[in-house]
This record gives sequence, C-alpha cells and structure tokens, in this order.
Amino acid sequence: SQELEQSPQSLIVQEGKNLTINCTSSKTLYGLYWYKQKYGEGLIFLMMLQKGGEEKSHEKITAKLDEKKQQSSLHITASQPSHAGIYLCGAPPEDYGQNFVFGPGTRLSVLP
Amino acid sequence: DAGVIQSPRHEVTEMGQEVTLRCKPISGHNSLFWYRQTMMRGLELLIYFNNNVPIDDSGMPEDRFSAKMPNASFSTLKIQPSEPRDSAVYFCATASGGFQETQYFGPGTRLLVL
Repeated sequence: SQELEQSPQSLIVQEGKNLTINCTSSKTLYGLYWYKQKYGEGLIFLMMLQKGGEEKSHEKITAKLDEKKQQSSLHITASQPSHAGIYLCGAPPEDYGQNFVFGPGTRLSVLP
Repeated sequence: DAGVIQSPRHEVTEMGQEVTLRCKPISGHNSLFWYRQTMMRGLELLIYFNNNVPIDDSGMPEDRFSAKMPNASFSTLKIQPSEPRDSAVYFCATASGGFQETQYFGPGTRLLVL
C-alpha cells in the first residue's frame, strides 16, 4: 500500500523567513494534494498537482511535484503568523478499492 | 455556497450510548467521504459514497460503525454502542467526482466518549 512521509515533522521559523516542507511517496503519485489545518478545525484545500514537474502558486505558497512523481515540496515565501498550522499532503488512490492516504503532517509555527 | 456542513460540532457522551454524526455536502457534489482523525493514527478514511452508494467501507473500524446516505444532500455516521477509543474528530468531505477530484472538508465533529 502507498505511504506518504513528510519532513520535517515540525518547524519553527521567524516571521519573514522562507521555508520548505517535503512530502515523499513510497509509490508513483497519481495526484498530490496539499492541505492546511488549523488546530481544532477542518482541512483547507491549498493545491492539487497531477503532472510530473508541475508547479502551482497561490499567494506566497508554491507547490511542486517532481518529474518522477514521487516527491512534492511546499514552499512558503516570507512567512507570516497566519501561515501557522499543520500542513498535510494527501494522495488519491490509483484504482478503486485503494485508499486515499495522508501524510502525518508538518506542524508549522511562525514567530512574530 | 455554505461549504460542507457538519453537526454537531462537539459531542460528549457516555460509553455505550449511540452517537449520530451528520453531514450536508456541497450542492452538486456527488462524492462524500467520512474521515476520522486522532493523534495516534492521524487522518483515516472510513467510508466513501458516490452518487449516494457506498463504494468502499473498508476503513470502517468495526460493526459498531455504520454510515448512510439516503439522498444527495445528507449523510450520517452512526456509532452504536460508542466506546472511549472512538473519541476523535470526525470529518466529512465532499467532491464533484471521485478521488481524482478535490475534496472539500467540513469543520469536523469533535467526539468525546467518556
């Protein structure tokens, strides 16, 4: 079965700094979702990547999917306290009967 | 659109009681997913409906859990009888297609079974 690993597990940065979160899959990805979750709240969809080499940006957040489609990175430029939360990557299954899987999450704290 | 609506937002109950969680999907979305999130196990998919039909319930932990989707605008997740280990946040998510489409999550129901 497919597994997702995320690194780092947690991250503390000073406001204004750039940061990168990685998501690595044990198998080829057929899509990769990035979500953000604030403590005690639901998940907020950030971006979805499907093609090898694809890169998408939204405001100060950029996500990339590598050419081999086994690793994705999420980069935040000039971080702000509003970026704090848990970032989760998720991968849809290749076929029916297989499960949508999530990474364990990366907890981000941004110090003002 | 109001997004995915879940109720109740919080539920505290005693072991052995029946618990019913409710979800109203985004209008027009034909896929609905129930997830459970705990510190120990992270986020887990419990069951997935497409066009009101359960497609994959392999994530449902045991017979105490059941889910229904009687129509396109309503789904329930029931636990009977509840146990302390069922304490978790339960999320409902919906999508316009299957797994290959973006899933939009509700705010979750925080369940505590004493």
